[in-house]
Amino acid sequence: QKEVEQNSGPLSVPEGAIASLNCTYSDRGSQSFFWYRQYSGKSPELIMSIYSNGDKEDGRFTAQLNKASQYVSLLIRDSQPSDSATYLCAVNDGSARQLTFGSGTQLTVLP
Amino acid sequence: DVKVTQSSRYLVKRTGEKVFLECVQDMDHENMFWYRQDPGLGLRLIYFSYDVKMKEKGDIPEGYSVSREKKERFSLILESASTNQTSMYLCASSSPDRGLSYEQYFGPGTRLTVT
Repeated sequence: QKEVEQNSGPLSVPEGAIASLNCTYSDRGSQSFFWYRQYSGKSPELIMSIYSNGDKEDGRFTAQLNKASQYVSLLIRDSQPSDSATYLCAVNDGSARQLTFGSGTQLTVLP
Repeated sequence: DVKVTQSSRYLVKRTGEKVFLECVQDMDHENMFWYRQDPGLGLRLIYFSYDVKMKEKGDIPEGYSVSREKKERFSLILESASTNQTSMYLCASSSPDRGLSYEQYFGPGTRLTVT
C-alpha cells in the first residue's frame, strides 16, 4: 500500500513569515512529486511539481525533494492571507498513471 | 491552459434516483479520473480510465459506474443514489509528459446532495 503522509495541521503562521509544509512517502520508487493548493469549497490547483533531488523555486514557492529520506516539502516565503488553504502532496511512482495523495495540511496565514 | 469542466457545480437528488455526472477535458489527455472528497477522508479514487472504452476500479467503486465513449468525456453514474453518496465529486485528467509526469488537472467539482 503506497502511502503519502502529511501533518493535517492546522498550521498557523503570521503574515510575512515562511510557511513550511512537509510530506513523506512510502514508495522508494516514486519519481514525480506535486503540490496542490485547495481553497475551501474549491477544487485542487497544481502549484508545483518536482522530479529531481534538490530545490525548485517558483516565485514565493520552493519545493524541496530528498529521495533518500523520502521527503518532499513546500516552503512559502512572505506568506499572505491569500495563501490560507489546504495543501495536498501527491506522488507518482512512474509505473502507474494514478497519483497517491496525502490528506492535506491546512494552512492559515494570520494578518 | 488545461481546462476540465464538469456538468454541474451543485446537484440535489433524491434517494434511488439515477445520477449522471459529466466531465469534459480539452487537452486530449489520455487519462481521466473520478474522485470523491469528504471532510477528514481526503481524496478517494472511484474510477479511472486510460483510454476510450477502458475503465479501472479505484479504491471505492461500489455504487458507481463510469462511461468513456469519447476521449474528452468521462461520465460517472450513480445507479441508485443513496444518502452516503452525498459528497464533493472531482474529475481530473492527465497525460504523461517526458515519460515521467502524470500531473493531474482538476475540474471545479460537483457538490452532490442526496436527500
